[in-house]
Parts: sequence; C-alpha cells; structure tokens
Amino acid sequence: EPEVTQTPSHQVTQMGQEVILRCVPISNHLYFYWYRQILGQKVEFLVSFYNNEISEKSEIFDDQFSVERPDGSNFTLKIRSTKLEDSAMYFCASAGASQETQYFGPGTRLLVL
Amino acid sequence: DAKTTQPTSMDCAEGRAANLPCNHSTISGNEYVYWYRQIHSQGPQYIIHGLKNNETNEMASLIITEDRKSSTLILPHATLRDTAVYYCIVRPRNSYTGANSKLTFGKGITLSVRP
Repeated sequence: EPEVTQTPSHQVTQMGQEVILRCVPISNHLYFYWYRQILGQKVEFLVSFYNNEISEKSEIFDDQFSVERPDGSNFTLKIRSTKLEDSAMYFCASAGASQETQYFGPGTRLLVL
Repeated sequence: DAKTTQPTSMDCAEGRAANLPCNHSTISGNEYVYWYRQIHSQGPQYIIHGLKNNETNEMASLIITEDRKSSTLILPHATLRDTAVYYCIVRPRNSYTGANSKLTFGKGITLSVRP
C-alpha cells in the first residue's frame, strides 16, 4: 500500500540554524500539506500546496518557513532560523485529485537546542 | 478552532464494540465528517469520512444522525492496537486549489482498550 515517507525521523539542531524536512508524498497525489504537533498539544495546520503554489497557510507559517517541491517526488519544509519553540513533530500529508482524504507520514521529530 | 466536541476519554473491553461519539451541531451542508486516529506520536491515520449517509469500511463504521449534528464512530471488535486518540473533524468540500482543505484537529478522545 502506498504511503507518505518522511526524512529524517529525528533531527536535533541549534537555535538559529536552518533545517530542511523532507517528505515523499504518495505517487500521483497533487495536494500536499505540512502540520506540526508540539509535545502534548494538538496537531496544527501549517500550509497547503498545490500546483507549485501555496494554497493556504496558517499564522504559524511566517517568513521563517518555506515549502518547495524541488522535483517530481519530494516536498520540503524549510525553517530558516530555528527557534526553541519550533521543537515539535512535523507531519507531511498528501491527497489525490479528489482531495477527499489526506494521508499522513510518520513525522519528523525536531528538537531545537 | 475545531468545530466538534468529543468526550475526553473512554475505554472498552477487547473484542467488544467501541462507540465513539462526536457532536458537530454547527456543521453546514457542504461539510464532511472525518475521523482520524493517532497512536502514540505517530502520524494521524485516516479511518473514515462521510457527508450524510452512514459509511462502512474495513476499519470502522460511521453513523451520522439525520440532522447531521452528531455522529458515532464504531469499531466493531476493538483490539489492544486500537488504543489511540481519535479525532472527529468537520471539513468543507474541496476547492480546486486546495484552499480550505486543511484538517483542524481538536483534542480528540482517548480510547483505551483493556484486555
């Protein structure tokens, strides 16, 4: 069964450093998403992406964040200058043409020291 | 903010049916009801969704009341591996661009399946 994959599974970085989280969505999916979950809190929407453009973004997704689909398979989230409060699980999701169902990856646990 | 209300927690015995309720009294006509679950800190897992008719798949059944103001997710034979946080989410029908297609998660209901 096709699934969304994410790398790395864990990342530790120093405050102020740039990080890139990678996702490989399900093949043939057209809609891509990033969510995050701070430890003990709700899953929060960050951004949706379609046709090489951001469709929607939340207030969390400020100028420090960017997304890119650099090739036909990867979907990346970049945090330019990480802050302590960026420590969280980051989940990628993708959906097919009907957009009816989003399938999530296993997440990347980011720890900013 | 999430537009659904769920109890904080419930438990059920292994092998029995687990009935998870959800209130969505402000749901509008173009909104679907979705259920996802999250086992420990894994990625949310899709379970089922529906608009107004009851739905069934290999994982669960979704019963939506006629007025659509509430629904129940039924796991017919709960196992220990079904212990998780279950999220009931309402979401509008999709737009072509993907706008307004985000999932808004609440706190969910923690289901504990006991041996």
